[in-house]
Amino acid sequence: EDKVVQSPLSLVVHEGDTVTLNCSYEVTNFRSLLWYKQEKKAPTFLFMLTSSGIEKKSGRLSSILDKKELFSILNITATQTGDSAVYLCAEPNSGGSNYKLTFGKGTLLTVNP
Amino acid sequence: NAGVTQTPKFQVLKTGQSMTLQCAQDMNHEYMSWYRQDPGMGLRLIHYSVGAGITDQGEVPNGYNVSRSTTEDFPLRLLSAAPSQTSVYFCASSSANQPQHFGDGTRLSIL
Repeated sequence: EDKVVQSPLSLVVHEGDTVTLNCSYEVTNFRSLLWYKQEKKAPTFLFMLTSSGIEKKSGRLSSILDKKELFSILNITATQTGDSAVYLCAEPNSGGSNYKLTFGKGTLLTVNP
Repeated sequence: NAGVTQTPKFQVLKTGQSMTLQCAQDMNHEYMSWYRQDPGMGLRLIHYSVGAGITDQGEVPNGYNVSRSTTEDFPLRLLSAAPSQTSVYFCASSSANQPQHFGDGTRLSIL
């Protein structure tokens, strides 16, 4: 059975800090790994990673995948209070498509002013 | 742009009652899924559909039914509500090899 483990489960930082969130996975037939941000309601898509070693970047957020060591990291630089959210990592179950996602438990990030 | 619309946003049921959570998408996506989110558990897949008339079970399907009569709609039915089904339910849709878009969720309490 596919498994996605995120760490840490919660993290409290001050505005301006840089944070690194971790996601390790054990999957058969790897296809992709996805990151979502969840504030009060719907998870919103951040990144989809398919290739090892290629960094994806969006503003202060970036993510990279290591298919050999089976993990991904999500970096947030110069954190702001608006970055406070649960960050979810997910992968398509058993190599299926993105409609059958297995999620990790999430990392709750709190950014204090 | 509506995206994925879920109704109702909140619902309280008594044990044994049945109800249907509605999900509609206006992006012409062929794939739709239902997840539940419980504290400390992340999101877990209940049922999914790869197109009109085709549905299949996910990780936690017991106690739930789905149907997909049109591309746009994917309702989730609770047959006989139990307190263990108290959760937040999310519907999502996507097209091939694209990330899922999620609705805002339905918060369901079973007394």
